[in-house]
Amino acid sequence: GAVVSQHPSRVICKSGTSVKIECRSLDFQATTMFWYRQFPKKSLMLMATSNEGSKATYEQGVEKDKFLINHASLTLSTLTVTSAHPEDSSFYICSAPRGASSYEQYFGPGTRLTVT
Amino acid sequence: GENVEQHPSTLSVQEGDSAVIKCTYSDSASNYFPWYKQELGKRPQLIIDIRSNVGEKKDQRIAVTLNKTAKHFSLHITETQPEDSAVYFCAARGGTALIFGKGTTLSVSS
Repeated sequence: GAVVSQHPSRVICKSGTSVKIECRSLDFQATTMFWYRQFPKKSLMLMATSNEGSKATYEQGVEKDKFLINHASLTLSTLTVTSAHPEDSSFYICSAPRGASSYEQYFGPGTRLTVT
Repeated sequence: GENVEQHPSTLSVQEGDSAVIKCTYSDSASNYFPWYKQELGKRPQLIIDIRSNVGEKKDQRIAVTLNKTAKHFSLHITETQPEDSAVYFCAARGGTALIFGKGTTLSVSS
């Protein structure tokens, strides 16, 4: 199957700082990637759709100025949590379909963000 | 947009029993319905999926059924084993992204 990686797997940062999370498709090109957020014992909530070479599409209620998404290449999307606060602590997971017509999504291993 | 409801939120069964988890979706344009198993702190793992042109799909002890008219789909696990214990999520794809149900915590006791 296709491989998606995320870096870092865990990060602890202080309140007010910014954190960048990378999502890479290792063996396929992804024109579209998706970012999800998952609180403990909760479901995956779609945050935004990352589109290579264009602006991301954010879901209702997600602050685009706080969660900056950049999809600068066909294998890399980044999510930057700006001015992080403790309530931003969560598990962030990216996913990508292998090709525009592909149904199956390939998930990254996730990034555990803890803001102190 | 798409909305996915999942029931029950918790399910406890004895080893060897069957388990059924049900989901409903709102967007009649949704055409892909995967089921995921997720262990704590790990990525979701696809266990089975079904497309809208199929009514049922089976893979060993796992099966999924889809009723497009009623807009619901179900996961069936037969002969449950303790290692089936995990959180299960259904999802539906309307546009390009997957929208997830709230999850079902399945506990299989031996």
